Amino acid sequence: GDSVTQMEGPVTLSEEAFLTINCTYTATGYPSLFWYVQYPGEGLQLLLKATKADDKGSNKGFEATYRKETTSFHLEKGSVQVSDSAVYFCALRGGSQGNLIFGKGTKLSVKP
Amino acid sequence: GAVVSQHPSRVICKSGTSVKIECRSLDFQATTMFWYRQFPKQSLMLMATSNEGSKATYEQGVEKDKFLINHASLTLSTLTVTSAHPEDSSFYICSASRGQGRPLHFGNGTRLTVT
Repeated sequence: GDSVTQMEGPVTLSEEAFLTINCTYTATGYPSLFWYVQYPGEGLQLLLKATKADDKGSNKGFEATYRKETTSFHLEKGSVQVSDSAVYFCALRGGSQGNLIFGKGTKLSVKP
Repeated sequence: GAVVSQHPSRVICKSGTSVKIECRSLDFQATTMFWYRQFPKQSLMLMATSNEGSKATYEQGVEKDKFLINHASLTLSTLTVTSAHPEDSSFYICSASRGQGRPLHFGNGTRLTVT
């Protein structure tokens, strides 16, 4: 079945460092891909998405490109801030009901 | 934007009691709602999919008699954890969609603690 694999954390960076969180997927068909962010004590928020190959999703300085050839959707940010500390989930959407399938999440801690 | 309200945000109950969690779409009609469970430091696992007016579809391994889902209207779905036990303690999150292919909107989740 469909699945998402993302790099395990935790990831600890200094402020202004470059961030990459790897995400690869396995799916039949052409799923939509998402990154969600969960701040401490809160629910999920959609960070960005891409619906077809070569699409680039971007938001709040984060970017991810839908790479069909490598089945990847890596999350990047050029300069992280302390406020970016959160858990990031890669997800795909497919299936007959359109539910999301999540990776295990990567906890990011940014130190000042 | 579309808003999904989930209530309560936190609940503590005694073992053996039942707890109801509500998920409401405030400004749109949700034909489909999904219920997820998140274990500590783990990902969200889909528990069930509910479509308005029909029975919920449960994922493998989820006890439908323990986790009762009702989607009686286009704006409300409820998850009832029956005869709760400490192992049911978890973070439960709902999401709602206008339909297949439409964006998913998440509630803020419910932290259930069973003592």
